[in-house]
Amino acid sequence: NAGVMQNPRHLVRRRGQEARLRCSPMKGHSHVYWYRQLPEEGLKFMVYLQKENIIDESGMPKERFSAEFPKEGPSILRIQQVVRGDSAAYFCASSPGTEDGYTFGSGTRLTVV
Amino acid sequence: AQSVTQLDSQVPVFEEAPVELRCNYSSSVSVYLFWYVQYPNQGLQLLLKYLSGSTLVESINGFEAEFNKSQTSFHLRKPSVHISDTAEYFCAVSAGFQKLVFGTGTRLLVSP
Repeated sequence: NAGVMQNPRHLVRRRGQEARLRCSPMKGHSHVYWYRQLPEEGLKFMVYLQKENIIDESGMPKERFSAEFPKEGPSILRIQQVVRGDSAAYFCASSPGTEDGYTFGSGTRLTVV
Repeated sequence: AQSVTQLDSQVPVFEEAPVELRCNYSSSVSVYLFWYVQYPNQGLQLLLKYLSGSTLVESINGFEAEFNKSQTSFHLRKPSVHISDTAEYFCAVSAGFQKLVFGTGTRLLVSP
């Protein structure tokens, strides 16, 4: 049973380009969470999704950021027109929605040049 | 809403010495508490968690944490640290089995 798979591990984008980050949850997990870790800071919650539904997006920036978790396939975090301030590590976690808790992926490190 | 405070951004300690990493939280409802460890350029690994029951929880690698409701604390301790314990440690709270609120982390630096 593979863990939470995130790809790519590293992503470099020029300012103004789009970044697409993928997350495949653990088998049997229907809850997906995205977090952002800025340099020298803790993880900040961005969005919580279940299959085909956004449950809580209170941590998502109002513009340029979107997330989806389709019926088939991985969850996608999309950042349009990236800026230097978007450079960070983006972590995905999945859970079965019970006290078994979260499992984190290894993250995608986005660098905007 | 919940919040977590980790007052120590960095804790230097010598190998085989004891260590305590402090975590205080704020919440208007009952919470679940977690400690995660992050090694350089890696994701977060769950170290231990408090959900209910005994207020003292232990991990398989010698760490323990005690939930203190009156002091709203969940400090992490280890009686004797190893070089391999060098990492960033994050305390987190959750009001349910949904989103986690993290502290800013404590970097544990173990030197010989």
